[in-house]
Amino acid sequence: DAKTTQPPSMDCAEGRAANLPCNHSTISGNEYVYWYRQIHSQGPQYIIHGLKNNETNEMASLIITEDRKSSTLILPHATLRDTAVYYCIVRGGSSSNTGKLIFGQGTTLQVKP
Amino acid sequence: DTAVSQTPKYLVTQMGNDKSIKCEQNLGHDTMYWYKQDSKKFLKIMFSYNNKELIINETVPNRFSPKSPDKAHLNLHINSLELGDSAVYFCASSQGSPAGANVLTFGAGSRLTVL
Repeated sequence: DAKTTQPPSMDCAEGRAANLPCNHSTISGNEYVYWYRQIHSQGPQYIIHGLKNNETNEMASLIITEDRKSSTLILPHATLRDTAVYYCIVRGGSSSNTGKLIFGQGTTLQVKP
Repeated sequence: DTAVSQTPKYLVTQMGNDKSIKCEQNLGHDTMYWYKQDSKKFLKIMFSYNNKELIINETVPNRFSPKSPDKAHLNLHINSLELGDSAVYFCASSQGSPAGANVLTFGAGSRLTVL
């Protein structure tokens, strides 16, 4: 599985866009990029995923570089409730293994008033 | 309705005891998982079941025995509890597709404390 690298922590002002980077330089062609987050004392929550194209949903946008070696999760208007640990995960392969997510240390995003 | 529900939310017990954590999902998913989050906050997969069949077993001690009576339930039974078993256990489910993405929905977690 491709390894991901994320900054350990970031701050963001409330109402501003939060841009969380992730490097995955060894990603292979069939591997998706997933983002999950874990708010304190809760279970991980799926945010978004993508393969090649940029993606947007009601929670966030995912920008994947053309060479797929890095991506950025964008929370367009961060709120205090977005304070959490954000995990970038690369996973692909057969359906029997795609649920085996490998969580790293993630990025702790602190949204400040 | 909670999509993935786990019981109990908190469990405090003595070393050597046997305990179970139950998980149920009402999403109609065919795959369920158990993940463990230790005191250092690392999340690691323990088991995965697809349609009641064991798919992933990540070198977990055989004191841990998952049981899936049907595809909506995956229970975790732990024998002879040890101090190192103290952690938060998360159940999850997904509806994978053979060539596509696999999005997991997690439960709220069950915090096990072994004294």
